[in-house]
Amino acid sequence: EDQVTQSPEALRLQEGESSSLNCSYTVSGLRGLFWYRQDPGKGPEFLFTLYSAGEEKEKERLKATLTKKESFLHITAPKPEDSATYLCAVQGNQGGKLIFGQGTELSVKP
Amino acid sequence: DTEVTQTPKHLVMGMTNKKSLKCEQHMGHRAMYWYKQKAKKPPELMFVYSYEKLSINESVPSRFSPECPNSSLLNLHLHALQPEDSALYLCASSQTRGADYNEQFFGPGTRLTVL
Repeated sequence: EDQVTQSPEALRLQEGESSSLNCSYTVSGLRGLFWYRQDPGKGPEFLFTLYSAGEEKEKERLKATLTKKESFLHITAPKPEDSATYLCAVQGNQGGKLIFGQGTELSVKP
Repeated sequence: DTEVTQTPKHLVMGMTNKKSLKCEQHMGHRAMYWYKQKAKKPPELMFVYSYEKLSINESVPSRFSPECPNSSLLNLHLHALQPEDSALYLCASSQTRGADYNEQFFGPGTRLTVL
């Protein structure tokens, strides 16, 4: 059964304190792993797509990496505006269906 | 233009009402999706349309009826809903080529309250 587990559930950081979010997955035939950011009451905002182990993507203070079993979202020197829920999702062989993790709620305090 | 729009932003309806949610994209995407999201939970897939044809129905109750009039528009018709159907309803779209579906772009959602 396809499954995604994110940890931790919640993360509190001080501004400038770098950290990583984890996304562990099992999927039959990975076609893509996706990271989204979601602010309360809004739709998820696309961040990254990773397709194969060893791949890395960067955007401002965020860097996503992928292995055969997990993905990490590294946040370098976060700012309060990085506070949000970060969702990881995988796509297998079921035609467009995303399997989401439960998300990590990130809070960055000034 | 990388925007998916949804109307209305908020909707309050009684259990006997009939209403519709609308979604529009102009990115040339041929796959469109409806999700339901409860508070503190991830989005839950309801329907997938590929090239205007329903390709996935996640065993959604018949009181939710999707419609894809053309490649840019997606509707969700609501009838005889229950209070537990109150949630944020999200629309998304993506490119698709055969069995490959690219990243999905989400709209802002419609906050639905069923009284």
